[in-house]
Amino acid sequence: NAGVTQTPKFQVLKTGQSMTLQCAQDMNHNSMYWYRQDPGMGLRLIYYSASEGTTDKGEVPNGYNVSRLNKREFSLRLESAAPSQTSVYFCASSGTGGLRNTIYFGEGSWLTVV
Amino acid sequence: DQQVKQNSPSLSVQEGRISILNCDYTNSMFDYFLWYKKYPAEGPTFLISISSIKDKNEDGRFTVFLNKSAKHLSLHIVPSQPGDSAVYFCAANSGYALNFGKGTSLLVTP
Repeated sequence: NAGVTQTPKFQVLKTGQSMTLQCAQDMNHNSMYWYRQDPGMGLRLIYYSASEGTTDKGEVPNGYNVSRLNKREFSLRLESAAPSQTSVYFCASSGTGGLRNTIYFGEGSWLTVV
Repeated sequence: DQQVKQNSPSLSVQEGRISILNCDYTNSMFDYFLWYKKYPAEGPTFLISISSIKDKNEDGRFTVFLNKSAKHLSLHIVPSQPGDSAVYFCAANSGYALNFGKGTSLLVTP
């Protein structure tokens, strides 16, 4: 059981480059999320998708776009990477009942922007 | 503004003793609280949760206590084991996603 799978695990970008983080879940969950984790900052929500076909901004959406491609997949795109976007990115998903069900996280994607 | 606060960045406890991790929140609309555990280079994993209609929830060695009037919750680990060494995040349901604290790094020494 793969759960939540993120790719790539590690990436180094130059300032101004673009890239897409891919996420897929195999638990038939309705809701999916992208968080970032920075030292001393905890986990902060970037975007979320409550159900297929919907996306909404979280706490720190600037500089990012998302696509809920289908029920399984939720991608995060950096259009023009900046050093401030150096972080660890976590994709997550949860089932029906929203947050009263456990949120399952992927293993993380380490992104460095130089 | 941080709505979920974990004011202790780190905690060191001897094996076999009790670990107590604390969490405070500011938003009285939060009605569901969770603790997540995170090892280095891994994603957070769910540990235990509590609804605001309860004041205690227990799961094996882990117990979460909720004091709504004080807007405070705590996670007790008894007895602590070296494998419990990890970062623990407190989180609260904000309606559409979880609000996380900054985490407390627990070190359990033999």
